[in-house]
Amino acid sequence: AQTVTQSQPEMSVQEAETVTLSCTYDTSESNYYLFWYKQPPSRQMILVIRQEAYKQQNATENRFSVNFQKAAKSFSLKISDSQLGDTAMYFCAFRNPDTGANSKLTFGKGITLSVRP
Amino acid sequence: AAGVIQSPRHLIKEKRETATLKCYPIPRHDTVYWYQQGPGQDPQFLISFYEKMQSDKGSIPDRFSAQQFSDYHSELNMSSLELGDSALYFCASSLGDIIRDETQYFGPGTRLLVL
Repeated sequence: AQTVTQSQPEMSVQEAETVTLSCTYDTSESNYYLFWYKQPPSRQMILVIRQEAYKQQNATENRFSVNFQKAAKSFSLKISDSQLGDTAMYFCAFRNPDTGANSKLTFGKGITLSVRP
Repeated sequence: AAGVIQSPRHLIKEKRETATLKCYPIPRHDTVYWYQQGPGQDPQFLISFYEKMQSDKGSIPDRFSAQQFSDYHSELNMSSLELGDSALYFCASSLGDIIRDETQYFGPGTRLLVL
């Protein structure tokens, strides 16, 4: 079974600065998907970024980018130019690539990010 | 763009009552997932459906059942409710026939409070 670990329960960053959220995972699969979801106080689950394990290039979405280290099973999220609206809980999630069965998301415990004005 | 719709958004029930949560996936999405998120916890997978058939099952109590209908909407039925069932219930949908683009998109959730 896959496991996802987010060892930092909370982080704080000054507005406009850069912050990195850590995530490690454990799997015996060679191909899989990794995601970062954001959950603001409204508790909506919002997809931030997605990485496919077979792609060596790190995914980027505007101010959000990942550092994917497959051998180390590490998947960190970098938020540049932090904004007050980035304040939220961030969940790292793992997904098996198969359709149908076994395609559920396995989440880490999450990290609470606070952006200070 | 259309998103996942869940109803109701809030639900208050007494212990031992029954609740039905509904999920309407994004148009053309054929796969639906249900997750339960307790206070301060990460979402836990309950059950999923692909093309109207149950495709995977997680830590779903026997008191809960679910199905996916011909129009791909799904319902989660919860009976003999317990205080511990109080949680945020998410439905997510994806397009299952494109193997390399199965990102799950979440609905706003149903907040269930059992008194």
